[in-house]
Amino acid sequence: AQKITQTQPGMFVQEKEAVTLDCTYDTSDPSYGLFWYKQPSSGEMIFLIYQGSYDQQNATEGRYSLNFQKARKSANLVISASQLGDSAMYFCAMREVRGGGNKLTFGTGTQLKVEL
Amino acid sequence: GAGVSQSPSNKVTEKGKDVELRCDPISGHTALYWYRQSLGQGLEFLIYFQGNSAPDKSGLPSDRFSAERTGGSVSTLTIQRTQQEDSAVYLCASSFLASGGRHNEQFFGPGTRLTVL
Repeated sequence: AQKITQTQPGMFVQEKEAVTLDCTYDTSDPSYGLFWYKQPSSGEMIFLIYQGSYDQQNATEGRYSLNFQKARKSANLVISASQLGDSAMYFCAMREVRGGGNKLTFGTGTQLKVEL
Repeated sequence: GAGVSQSPSNKVTEKGKDVELRCDPISGHTALYWYRQSLGQGLEFLIYFQGNSAPDKSGLPSDRFSAERTGGSVSTLTIQRTQQEDSAVYLCASSFLASGGRHNEQFFGPGTRLTVL
């Protein structure tokens, strides 16, 4: 089974609108962390936001927020007020503390295109 | 401050040749990771180093792949007898702590694009 599933290969959103990128995960480890990274066409991986499995509140970082639904094992990224510069590939990743040390398992990504 | 650097940025080689890819982590970061990203795919974990501990090599796809980290800093990923399926972008990352915690995010280098002809 896939540990990280991103079901949206591509998404379009209009500038200034909000967009949600889906991520579901699969783990039996009670302690884990979820990350979102952005990869522009230039190729670098940019850390966006982190959610720990024991965090009581959803993480927020500026225009990014993480809709963490632990029972459903989902960790969707919400980008508010989209900008043209948000056009990029977005990856969801998980770190399993017990089974994985600190290595990250990545999903296949969602290509986001922000349009005027 | 300086981020993670990798060299070369691009490498074209012939099938069967050996290649070495280099990574300079962020100064002070104790953990270093190698990932591989094939075209249009997510990142695939290869190996990680934490301090003086034995590296986690569980992601290396074959014994043609090896890596070392000298002096707890610079790392070299070596691929022997390269195959066409080795063509990918090889990304290095480093982090400050290898235990759990929100300050544990991995900072990535720009990658080395390897093309095996």
